[in-house]
Amino acid sequence: DAGVIQSPRHEVTEMGQEVTLRCKPISGHDYLFWYRQTMMRGLELLIYFNNNVPIDDSGMPEDRFSAKMPNASFSTLKIQPSEPRDSAVYFCASRHGLNTGELFFGEGSRLTVL
Amino acid sequence: EDKVVQSPLSLVVHEGDTVTLNCSYEVTNFRSLLWYKQEKKAPTFLFMLTSSGIEKKSGRLSSILDKKELFSILNITATQTGDSAIYLCAVGGNQFYFGTGTSLTVIP
Repeated sequence: DAGVIQSPRHEVTEMGQEVTLRCKPISGHDYLFWYRQTMMRGLELLIYFNNNVPIDDSGMPEDRFSAKMPNASFSTLKIQPSEPRDSAVYFCASRHGLNTGELFFGEGSRLTVL
Repeated sequence: EDKVVQSPLSLVVHEGDTVTLNCSYEVTNFRSLLWYKQEKKAPTFLFMLTSSGIEKKSGRLSSILDKKELFSILNITATQTGDSAIYLCAVGGNQFYFGTGTSLTVIP
């Protein structure tokens, strides 16, 4: 299996622009998580899905952030408009089942907003 | 409020030393505790712990969970420069709460 695939790996954009991050989870995994990592705050959970349905989005910073999972093999995290404080590494992770535990992480998308 | 606290925040040791990393938590609906190693890229899985008192071991790394006192430790013996990384603890059930990590630097 190719693992969790994220794109782009790096994105540099200007404040106010729309940013779309993409994730393909491991086939057969029914849970998908979006995390944001910064030096100051570590890994923060933004939102997670179960069987393509958003379960908890309480970690989404504000209305500028939105996430979708139109099918079992694809999810997007969108930031519109982007701000410099959104600069971070965004990780997608997937998991099979409720009790198996291990999260499989993608390589991350490093976002820089100028 | 659910939280995971790791200590120390950072640690610098010499090769061959033994280190102990700590993770304490307050999480509702606890199912498991996970340890990850992160080296400038995605976190890689080390251990999953679900029961108290049962040590998990992999080479020079070992970990144990205390569900009564709500903490876990990760031990690394005979440290090597390749152990330099951020070690993350995650606790939860349906979702996982991560601590901010312990940054370990091993000096030759």
